[in-house]
Amino acid sequence: EAGVTQSPRYAVLQEGQAVSFWCDPISGHDTLYWYQQPRDQGPQLLVYFRDEAVIDNSQLPSDRFSAVRPKGTNSTLKIQSAKQGDTATYLCASSFYNNQAPLFGEGTRLSVL
Amino acid sequence: GDQVEQSPSALSLHEGTGSALRCNFTTTMRAVQWFRKNSRGSLINLFYLASGTKENGRLKSAFDSKERYSTLHIRDAQLEDSGTYFCAAVCSNTNKVVFGTGTRLQVLP
Repeated sequence: EAGVTQSPRYAVLQEGQAVSFWCDPISGHDTLYWYQQPRDQGPQLLVYFRDEAVIDNSQLPSDRFSAVRPKGTNSTLKIQSAKQGDTATYLCASSFYNNQAPLFGEGTRLSVL
Repeated sequence: GDQVEQSPSALSLHEGTGSALRCNFTTTMRAVQWFRKNSRGSLINLFYLASGTKENGRLKSAFDSKERYSTLHIRDAQLEDSGTYFCAAVCSNTNKVVFGTGTRLQVLP
């Protein structure tokens, strides 16, 4: 069975540029999470979905970050006008709601210069 | 808010010895996961527990939802066990997955 797939694996940007991250969760998983993990820190939840609905996006910087999951399957996380402080690994995970361990993708490593 | 307090933040062990990592929760969690971050930065799943204990080789984990904690025991530590370990707990009422701040383990010869 394929795992959670994320792309790209790496991204390098100048400040002010935009970037999108893509996540393909485990087939059938209804819950999808996006995390930001700065270097040497634990992952911090940005947003999570059940199907296409946002359940919690309280930690998502809404002025520059957006996340969608329009069909309740794949998801895209977008950063408009990136800042150096956005440098981190962005992790996607998926699970069945109220069941099973969330499974994590390999992440996208973002460097903002 | 929902928090996971992980300790210690750093730990040094000599080969062959053991120790325990702990996560305390400020709210009721329905499950906990333990991960190790590999050299590529990927999270490797070690355990997922909804209750009780699990053991895998030299690692053993316990989770007590009522007492709001989980532990990860490492015995007979080897050099390759070095790395950063995270716990992540699933909140019972929101299903949100919250991570601890990590334990950086260094195993010394």
